[in-house]
Amino acid sequence: AQKVTQAQTEISVVEKEDVTLDCVYETRDTTYYLFWYKQPPSGELVFLIRRNSFDEQNEISGRYSWNFQKSTSSFNFTITASQVVDSAVYFCALHNDYKLSFGAGTTVTVRA
Amino acid sequence: NAGVTQTPKFQVLKTGQSMTLQCAQDMNHEYMSWYRQDPGMGLRLIHYSVGAGITDQGEVPNGYNVSRSTTEDFPLRLLSAAPSQTSVYFCASSYTTYAGVGEQFFGPGTRLTVL
Repeated sequence: AQKVTQAQTEISVVEKEDVTLDCVYETRDTTYYLFWYKQPPSGELVFLIRRNSFDEQNEISGRYSWNFQKSTSSFNFTITASQVVDSAVYFCALHNDYKLSFGAGTTVTVRA
Repeated sequence: NAGVTQTPKFQVLKTGQSMTLQCAQDMNHEYMSWYRQDPGMGLRLIHYSVGAGITDQGEVPNGYNVSRSTTEDFPLRLLSAAPSQTSVYFCASSYTTYAGVGEQFFGPGTRLTVL
């Protein structure tokens, strides 16, 4: 069985603060993919990143960065210099064998 | 490209009624899937398909049926609606690779209430 845990239910920050979202996963497989999705208040799901289990390089995309550590089964996500538009629910997900398992999500509120 | 479309956007059913949620994609993706989203639980996989004629169960398949007669369409059928099926339903599609699936494109969702 595979499982994704996002221990932080809600995070509230003031604009321009950095915010890090934790994601811990469990799987017995050696080949898998990890994803992050964003769900703004409008409700749609927006893809942010896909990372395979063999690529442990950290990635930066604008104000977003991801830290994948296989040794601790974690795939954390940092928003640098947060903005009000970053307010959303963020989901971490694990894909293996054509099944995608989502964490419960972390609600991020960025106050002006 | 319309991407992934879902109909209807909203639906209210009475307990015991049946209905079909429609999902279509125009990206020629092999993989399609259905999720339900409930407060505090993230998205849970109901059923998925890796190609026309092939479907399989996800995490919460009970009470739902699917079929995949074409690459484009993947309808979800509720056989006898129950209040526990009140949820927001998302359909998604993706290309496939030798190791699994790529980025999933999600539809806008269907908000279903069962009274």
